Amino acid sequence: QSVLTQPPSVSAAPGQEVTISCSGGPSNIGKNLVSWYQKLPGTAPKLLIFDNHERPSGIPDRFSGSRSGTSATLGISGLQTGDEADYFCASWDSSLYAVVFGGGTKLTVL
Amino acid sequence: EVQLLESGGGLVQPGGSLRLSCAASGFTFDTYGMSWVRQAPGKGLEWVSSISGTGDSTIYAPSVKGRFAISRDNSRNTAYLQMNSLRGEDTAVYFCARVPVITVVTHYYVFWGQGTLVSVST
Repeated sequence: QSVLTQPPSVSAAPGQEVTISCSGGPSNIGKNLVSWYQKLPGTAPKLLIFDNHERPSGIPDRFSGSRSGTSATLGISGLQTGDEADYFCASWDSSLYAVVFGGGTKLTVL
Repeated sequence: EVQLLESGGGLVQPGGSLRLSCAASGFTFDTYGMSWVRQAPGKGLEWVSSISGTGDSTIYAPSVKGRFAISRDNSRNTAYLQMNSLRGEDTAVYFCARVPVITVVTHYYVFWGQGTLVSVST
């Protein structure tokens, strides 16, 4: 059971927009920053968003992040078939004194 | 260019031990904390352990505390994960990742290794 809760799957058509939610609590998302990762089979996780909404160099602005209260959201616009992957949120938990991840969301681009 | 290269994975029997290594290059190793994150087959990412840049601070996930030990040799630019009393549920790909600061506290990782597979089975 993951500390952060994500929907198991989402889907949308190419060109459309999708959002993935990440629900936490007051000791993690409620007081600490959030990051998002894209994970393809057989590869290392790729950082998409850090500090709730910042994109590392090289990440297109189709990817966006936001945080409100104890929840965070990843947005992906202009969906491409290459965006099909698993997406994970993460944060620091001040009570557990640990990094916590969401259970992951599988994105299908129909 | 930052590079992280894990090694040491393999097949081990339940109750056995294994030591993973993470060789780092392309940055000043002792100014960054290091972490291990794993992904079991068909499961999500799970943070395992972190160590500060000086090595004097270590933290562990409850699932591995008392069985795993993280360490580092800054003269060799290498981090380690000693895994003892291994269980079937420890079967996973283990990734090392660089903490963006010298401490263990972080909410994100920019740089990751490619991972090494640990299989615990008879």
